[in-house]
Amino acid sequence: LAKTTQPISMDSYEGQEVNITCSHNNIATNDYITWYQQFPSQGPRFIIQGYKTKVTNEVASLFIPADRKSSTLSLPRVSLSDTAVYYCLVGDQDNNAGNMLTFGGGTRLMVKP
Amino acid sequence: DTGVSQDPRHKITKRGQNVTFRCDPISEHNRLYWYRQTLGQGPEFLTYFQNEAQLEKSRLLSDRFSAERPKGSFSTLEIQRTEQGDSAMYLCASSSTPHRDGYTFGSGTRLTVV
Repeated sequence: LAKTTQPISMDSYEGQEVNITCSHNNIATNDYITWYQQFPSQGPRFIIQGYKTKVTNEVASLFIPADRKSSTLSLPRVSLSDTAVYYCLVGDQDNNAGNMLTFGGGTRLMVKP
Repeated sequence: DTGVSQDPRHKITKRGQNVTFRCDPISEHNRLYWYRQTLGQGPEFLTYFQNEAQLEKSRLLSDRFSAERPKGSFSTLEIQRTEQGDSAMYLCASSSTPHRDGYTFGSGTRLTVV
């Protein structure tokens, strides 16, 4: 299973853009990169998923370089409600090799007024 | 469909008692997962079903834990002879095959063993 490394915590201010980078040096050919957001006492919530280059949705953007050994989650103009833990996961989404998604420790984002 | 439902939301039990949790996945999802999360840690994979078949079990899942998914619909997770170390949030998630929108998680069942 590809292991991920991401910062333990980050601070930001309302209205700023936040970029959280995740390292996954051992990513496999069939692996996708997925980011989840989790608030206290709730289950994780899917944010965005990608395989290569750039993916954008209404919530965030995901940048993946050509070697796919890292990825960056970009949150535009954060608000206080974006304060949460963000998890980067790498895995075969079709579970062809029984490769269950493995969560690391995540990045605790604190957005300040 | 209102998403993944878990019941109960909270459970307090005495050490040595048995507990059972229920998960109702999104109806069109054929894959169902159980995870466990302790305070300050990311969720840990416990087990996975595709339809009614249990295809994966983590080494973390001791023989006191058992999970079922009869008829490929809802699932139950039972813990026998609970220990204080079992205190955690138990999360259920579901997904479709193949899925491109990740897992949908429920809000979890918080277990406290006293």
